[in-house]
Amino acid sequence: DAGVIQSPRHEVTEMGQEVTLRCKPISGHNSLFWYRQTMMRGLELLIYFNNNVPIDDSGMPEDRFSAKMPNASFSTLKIQPSEPRDSAVYFCASSLAGNYEQYFGPGTRLTVT
Amino acid sequence: SQQGEEDPQALSIQEGENATMNCSYKTSINNLQWYRQNSGRGLVHLILIRSNEREKHSGRLRVTLDTSKKSSSLLITASRAADTASYFCATDTSSGNTPLVFGKGTRLSVIA
Repeated sequence: DAGVIQSPRHEVTEMGQEVTLRCKPISGHNSLFWYRQTMMRGLELLIYFNNNVPIDDSGMPEDRFSAKMPNASFSTLKIQPSEPRDSAVYFCASSLAGNYEQYFGPGTRLTVT
Repeated sequence: SQQGEEDPQALSIQEGENATMNCSYKTSINNLQWYRQNSGRGLVHLILIRSNEREKHSGRLRVTLDTSKKSSSLLITASRAADTASYFCATDTSSGNTPLVFGKGTRLSVIA
């Protein structure tokens, strides 16, 4: 299995631009998670899905952030408009269920100038 | 909010020494997991210990769990330079599909 796939690996964009991060979970996994990691705040859970349905998005910072999972093999995290404080590494992870072992993707390093 | 808190925040040891990292948590758990993160990469699962277990081994890793003290420790024996990474504990707050809550991690440096 290829593991969790994320794209792009690096993204540099200007403030105000729309950013879309993509994730392909491991086949057969029912839960998908989006995290953000910064030095200051550590690893933060933004949103998670069970069986393609968003369960808890209380970690999404504000309305500029949105996430979708149109099918079991694809999810997107969108930031519109982006701001410099959104600069971070964004990870996608998947698991068989919410409290099982999670498999992380390599992350997307986002820089907003 | 943070469920698990790792201690120490940073640890530096010589190759061959043992490294011990601790994790404390606040609420009852179903299981506790430890993850490793190498610089610039995603987290990798190391070991899971259930609430009814007290100790678990995997290779050079030894994990203990004390539910009365709401704490866990991760011991890495005979450390190697390749063990240099950040280590996170993660807890679930109940059975079912609630997600894991990660601590802020311990940054381990193993000096050759």
